[in-house]
Amino acid sequence: GQSLEQPSEVTAVEGAIVQINCTYQTSGFYGLSWYQQHDGGAPTFLSYNALDGLEETGRFSSFLSRSDSYGYLLLQELQMKDSASYFCAVTQSRYGGSQGNLIFGKGTKLSVKP
Amino acid sequence: GAGVSQSPSNKVTEKGKDVELRCDPISGHTALYWYRQSLGQGLEFLIYFQGNSAPDKSGLPSDRFSAERTGGSVSTLTIQRTQQEDSAVYLCASSLAVRGYGYTFGSGTRLTVV
Repeated sequence: GQSLEQPSEVTAVEGAIVQINCTYQTSGFYGLSWYQQHDGGAPTFLSYNALDGLEETGRFSSFLSRSDSYGYLLLQELQMKDSASYFCAVTQSRYGGSQGNLIFGKGTKLSVKP
Repeated sequence: GAGVSQSPSNKVTEKGKDVELRCDPISGHTALYWYRQSLGQGLEFLIYFQGNSAPDKSGLPSDRFSAERTGGSVSTLTIQRTQQEDSAVYLCASSLAVRGYGYTFGSGTRLTVV
């Protein structure tokens, strides 16, 4: 089976940098994804790491260490609109290979204060 | 369509009634997924479809839940004899293939069983 751990809540101020950590236990790992969900909205895809290292997309970066079963999402120059829940997710592959559905963590609620 | 469309957006039903939830994925997306999200919780995998292959039903919580996908496009999730614990937001997502990233989610159906 799969399990993911991430903090339930994080608070930061506008303009700051925040890091949301995710640790996972998995029987087969093909990549770590991050999704953003505003209250009442649909989850939206942010990033995906299949290999170790840092992926940067604008103000958001995502990091993966496969040997440590650990990743994080880094949000820079925080804006009020970044207040949302952030979910890490791993692929559950039942038949081998990289195909499978996503298993999500319980999410981290980020509150950005003025 | 341009995005994943779900209907209805809200559904209130009496305990014991059957409900049908509809998902219209992005045109050309061969993979379709159903998830359930209870208030303040993460996303719970229910079922996924990939092309003409048999669906992966391993996440369905009971035999009251079923889903079908007609013509490789529209999907219907059916819940029979609804219970109060079925109250949640039911989210549908699609992707180009069954893979661990890049899902596009619909806005969901909020189901309330009274």
